[in-house]
Amino acid sequence: DTGVSQDPRHKITKRGQNVTFRCDPISEHNRLYWYRQTLGQGPEFLTYFQNEAQLEKSRLLSDRFSAERPKGSFSTLEIQRTEQGDSAMYLCASSLPSGTGDEKLFFGSGTQLSVL
Amino acid sequence: GQQLNQSPQSMFIQEGEDVSMNCTSSSIFNTWLWYKQDPGEGPVLLIALYKAGELTSNGRLTAQFGITRKDSFLNISASIPSDVGIYFCAGQYREFLGNEKLTFGTGTRLTIIP
Repeated sequence: DTGVSQDPRHKITKRGQNVTFRCDPISEHNRLYWYRQTLGQGPEFLTYFQNEAQLEKSRLLSDRFSAERPKGSFSTLEIQRTEQGDSAMYLCASSLPSGTGDEKLFFGSGTQLSVL
Repeated sequence: GQQLNQSPQSMFIQEGEDVSMNCTSSSIFNTWLWYKQDPGEGPVLLIALYKAGELTSNGRLTAQFGITRKDSFLNISASIPSDVGIYFCAGQYREFLGNEKLTFGTGTRLTIIP
């Protein structure tokens, strides 16, 4: 296990379709984060999990977005009824739990979504 | 969402030159991180800073945690072609059992002129 893995790397979809992305964190990391990055901007926080519990959601995460981490390992991010404004890079990151003294976030390569 | 102010927005330098960039926030953080991002890839962690006033090096990179806890600086010495990319600062407020989410800067794009 060499890092955070995301699949697919690229997704092109038509407006109105549903899409699902997968993230596999570093194996010993119990925290998992989703970020979104649009062109020319830094990543913006969407949501995070500690084990299987989703503990915080950003206001950026509309009702069309849902994230799960059913067994506390991999996570999925689903976008329903995609809109052109959803086009962005979706980044996943993982970290060790707080209090370990090493809570640095490590990112995957991202999923680039293009909504036509 | 909130983004930190990062400057300069872009830099055009010649190979071998030193580079300086900084990041400011209206909020206090107890951790500052610097990431580099190549096109089509996720951010890669370069340096982490945990204490106000801390100065940390990683090879040719040196970063400082501002004493006000609202800013951070990154210097790159003797730039080389592989330094090209976008550099992001990120502030983090770590608290026990809290959300360690990062707030990112707007990025500094570094280009090396042949």
